[in-house]
Amino acid sequence: GAVVSQHPSRVICKSGTSVKIECRSLDFQATTMFWYRQFPKQSLMLMATSNEGSKATYEQGVEKDKFLINHASLTLSTLTVTSAHPEDSSFYICSALKLAGGNQETQYFGPGTRLLVL
Amino acid sequence: GENVEQHPSTLSVQEGDSAVIKCTYSDSASNYFPWYKQELGKRPQLIIDIRSNVGEKKDQRIAVTLNKTAKHFSLHITETQPEDSAVYFCAASETGNQFYFGTGTSLTVIP
Repeated sequence: GAVVSQHPSRVICKSGTSVKIECRSLDFQATTMFWYRQFPKQSLMLMATSNEGSKATYEQGVEKDKFLINHASLTLSTLTVTSAHPEDSSFYICSALKLAGGNQETQYFGPGTRLLVL
Repeated sequence: GENVEQHPSTLSVQEGDSAVIKCTYSDSASNYFPWYKQELGKRPQLIIDIRSNVGEKKDQRIAVTLNKTAKHFSLHITETQPEDSAVYFCAASETGNQFYFGTGTSLTVIP
């Protein structure tokens, strides 16, 4: 199988604090993980690509100093929302890329983290 | 960058009928096209995917077609059932690189 976990599932924090979200691939190694943001009833918006051992690649319009990504091992990527504000409230979903034979890959999603900034 | 468009945004069908969702993409370098089903409050689940070296793929009641020339691909669900009700997303990716998602289709299957 291919299981991706995410922690925490829900977090409520005060404005100005930082929040760290963890994404783990439990039964496979993932060189590449992705971080998405999803607003209610909307699509997934790619925020950044997280590559193990190197700097993340951010999509246009995503502040890298605001959303810090660290991919320290082949099974863990973290997203830290720094100095969170109410407009950062959202559903954050990570995914991990599992490579199969023939250089083919499949993306598996974590269960998501709902962030509410008061 | 890649731009993926998806239609329709909402779709209602009678149980047993077929449902078709269409997506177009802009980047000819994209070569992998997965489809995801997302139920309310849950993670997206891969239901079928297709790579650019084939034109059609089928898995029981679900099929996907790809037209590389026209840069569009479609999801076909036959003999729909109430449990097929969910939001469906298409995506496009160049192998190993970023995935770009369509805007989603909310499918309702009416019993």
